[in-house]
Amino acid sequence: DSGVTQTPKHLITATGQRVTLRCSPRSGDLSVYWYQQSLDQGLQFLIQYYNGEERAKGNILERFSAQQFPDLHSELNLSSLELGDSALYFCASSVGVGTSTDTQYFGPGTRLTVL
Amino acid sequence: AQSVTQLGSHVSVSEGALVLLRCNYSSSVPPYLFWYVQYPNQGLQLLLKYTSAATLVKGINGFEAEFKKSETSFHLTKPSAHMSDAAEYFCAVSSGAGSYQLTFGKGTKLSVIP
Repeated sequence: DSGVTQTPKHLITATGQRVTLRCSPRSGDLSVYWYQQSLDQGLQFLIQYYNGEERAKGNILERFSAQQFPDLHSELNLSSLELGDSALYFCASSVGVGTSTDTQYFGPGTRLTVL
Repeated sequence: AQSVTQLGSHVSVSEGALVLLRCNYSSSVPPYLFWYVQYPNQGLQLLLKYTSAATLVKGINGFEAEFKKSETSFHLTKPSAHMSDAAEYFCAVSSGAGSYQLTFGKGTKLSVIP
């Protein structure tokens, strides 16, 4: 158990809908990262937040957005869902912003299925 | 830009045999390198990481990896495979301090044959 929690574990929805994925980082970790794992694209970095502020952006679509709240939990919002958005979405957390001493600890993931 | 190539999407070894999973990286600056393992229906767990200290890095569960700058490689090895090692393994790179994102390889699925 990494200490990172993600809810829900599974999510099934229809095209065009909007969903919210939630992540609680390990106690004491200030950074939260979101990754998407799909069969064709592999594991891709989406976005990072550090202490409430956006820190780095990867291959995140404009239909997706995220935020980190004062209690440091984070939410990833996916809207206008398409079949291709079906994937496993991972949250990771680390103590700092991403130096050599940081390790990213991954949650168990949320499996999103878009029908 | 940085990238990772993992040779072999699927590797099979016999129980007790040497495990060798290959990873080559590309980075314009000195890299930090990581190996993660993913068991079925679980998240990723860090096995080991290289952050410019010793080139031979020892990790959990008997795994180790050697950073070879001249070959731009960071191969993962374990002397003797165990059934519990069956999982998918991911090599990842980040471009040093201040670089926040991990770039992952496509992964190598390891099967252990009894």
